Amino acid sequence: DAGVIQSPRHEVTEMGQEVTLRCKPISGHNSLFWYRQTMMRGLELLIYFNNNVPIDDSGMPEDRFSAKMPNASFSTLKIQPSEPRDSAVYFCASNDNRMSTEAFFGQGTRLTVV
Amino acid sequence: GNSVTQMEGPVTLSEEAFLTINCTYTATGYPSLFWYVQYPGEGLQLLLKATKADDKGSNKGFEATYRKETTSFHLEKGSVQVSDSAVYFCALRGSGGSNYKLTFGKGTLLTVNP
Repeated sequence: DAGVIQSPRHEVTEMGQEVTLRCKPISGHNSLFWYRQTMMRGLELLIYFNNNVPIDDSGMPEDRFSAKMPNASFSTLKIQPSEPRDSAVYFCASNDNRMSTEAFFGQGTRLTVV
Repeated sequence: GNSVTQMEGPVTLSEEAFLTINCTYTATGYPSLFWYVQYPGEGLQLLLKATKADDKGSNKGFEATYRKETTSFHLEKGSVQVSDSAVYFCALRGSGGSNYKLTFGKGTLLTVNP
């Protein structure tokens, strides 16, 4: 398997624009996570899906952030409108929680909002 | 709630030196413990894990032992290489109702000089 695939790897956008980050989890995994990494806060869990259903979105910072998982092989994280403080690296991770405890991470999307 | 505290870096060592990165945790029940490694520009990769007390996780010369009595999971390597330069994250996955969530420490930057 190719692992967790995220796109784009880098995104530069202007403040106020909509940004959509994409994730393809490992085939067969039933759990998906979106994390944000910044120097100040480290790694923060934004949202967790199990069997395509959002279970915990308590980490989503505000209404400008939304995430969807329309099927088992695709998820999006959308920021609308984007702000400079959203600049960070966003990671997607997946896991089969029936088989193991560890999560597998994608390579991340580095978002810069100017 | 669950939390992970790891020693702050950066840590700078010479090649073949002994490495210890301390990690302690707070959690109820019986969490699973992990060390992840992040190389520059990449996502997190699982380095090793332990799922119950007194388990020792090991990989690529790195080791960590799950010590429930001291709530610790310190990472060690007897002889580091330049290629070990990376950021190391200690993490736990809780048991019970929140057992899907990975809680990370803030990360420790290791630089190994030739």
